[in-house]
Amino acid sequence: DVKVTQSSRYLVKRTGEKVFLECVQDMDHENMFWYRQDPGLGLRLIYFSYDVKMKEKGDIPEGYSVSREKKERFSLILESASTNQTSMYLCASSFGTSLIPGTGELFFGEGSRLTVL
Amino acid sequence: LAKTTQPISMDSYEGQEVNITCSHNNIATNDYITWYQQFPSQGPRFIIQGYKTKVTNEVASLFIPADRKSSTLSLPRVSLSDTAVYYCLVENMNYGGSQGNLIFGKGTKLSVKP
Repeated sequence: DVKVTQSSRYLVKRTGEKVFLECVQDMDHENMFWYRQDPGLGLRLIYFSYDVKMKEKGDIPEGYSVSREKKERFSLILESASTNQTSMYLCASSFGTSLIPGTGELFFGEGSRLTVL
Repeated sequence: LAKTTQPISMDSYEGQEVNITCSHNNIATNDYITWYQQFPSQGPRFIIQGYKTKVTNEVASLFIPADRKSSTLSLPRVSLSDTAVYYCLVENMNYGGSQGNLIFGKGTKLSVKP
């Protein structure tokens, strides 16, 4: 079974702190995604990556950056956390490249609930 | 990118068939329709995917009319454990570059009552 592992289920940080959210997948997937989920707003795409060292902005990239140095790992970085970044963060991965169309199935991690005080 | 519209919530009773319709008027030729299920405190889980007509698996059926501007997820004989949020997603299957982003809507919260 595909496993997407997020480093922390729950984090509490203070305003202005730098926050790292780590995500690792074990299925050699090309594509990886970071979403945030807030009540009434559904899932919103922050960033995604379709290859090592490649990244693309999603709908709400402001205040976030990402890093993909290895294929299996995709990190979300909050350079200076703010209270409006308190949310559930979900990482996902999927198979597929520009040459080989994907199966369309996203595999999600359990989520990381971040609280910024 | 094709946006989707779904009802915010639906109620049902155990044993009933539930149909959730999603509207995607701007769907493109290369787009597929995918549905996910999400339980509280978990990430979404893939249910079913289709391009046209009807697709069925052990969990659900997906009905897509000829114009593909809408789709209907059908859950046969729901149980209490089917209470969840269901997301309709329109995906361009050409991953890579700017075509690889996947947009979720707000989903439909299904409540199944005994």
